[in-house]
Amino acid sequence: AQSVAQPEDQVNVAEGNPLTVKCTYSVSGNPYLFWYVQYPNRGLQFLLKYITGDNLVKGSYGFEAEFNKSQTSFHLKKPSALVSDSALYFCAVRSAGYSTLTFGKGTMLLVSP
Amino acid sequence: GAVVSQHPSWVICKSGTSVKIECRSLDFQATTMFWYRQFPKQSLMLMATSNEGSKATYEQGVEKDKFLINHASLTLSTLTVTSAHPEDSSFYICSVPNHFQDRDINEQFFGPGTRLTVL
Repeated sequence: AQSVAQPEDQVNVAEGNPLTVKCTYSVSGNPYLFWYVQYPNRGLQFLLKYITGDNLVKGSYGFEAEFNKSQTSFHLKKPSALVSDSALYFCAVRSAGYSTLTFGKGTMLLVSP
Repeated sequence: GAVVSQHPSWVICKSGTSVKIECRSLDFQATTMFWYRQFPKQSLMLMATSNEGSKATYEQGVEKDKFLINHASLTLSTLTVTSAHPEDSSFYICSVPNHFQDRDINEQFFGPGTRLTVL
């Protein structure tokens, strides 16, 4: 079985400050990890993924995530938040050979001006 | 990334009627598509995997007779909510896995979603 935990329902940050959205996972074998963003009444947009290689993954819109195998974490980060980053963020995981994604419950990011 | 469309973007229907939602892969052929359901302020729950040319695979707890899935072609999958009731009101999202590269390693491209409201 595979699972994802996003411990924070909401993260508040001021514009220009760094942001972190937390994600931990549980999976058998090597994990494939993803971050998606969802704007109101819209589908999900792919941000970034970790498959193998460098633990620090860079994605769209200046976001990055760090894979930490010992802590089974894949936290999403951005050095300087924008108001337009306010949205719902989902972490997802799947294991090699397993086609379906398991999503976390989502974290609402609110960036204040 | 690939473009996935859904139609309609929103629909309001009376209780007891059936509603069909279309999911189209506009950029490439998709032998597999996924259907998700999302309740307000909650995560996406996988409902079923749509397979071109064969029956859909439903997740545990999803009524296959209520949520009919037809993968009519390599670019189209439809989800029909039969005899809809207010508790079926939700946001339905389809996705298409990326098989461009290594078949085993892929992200999914999501449609914009369909908001269903059953009165």
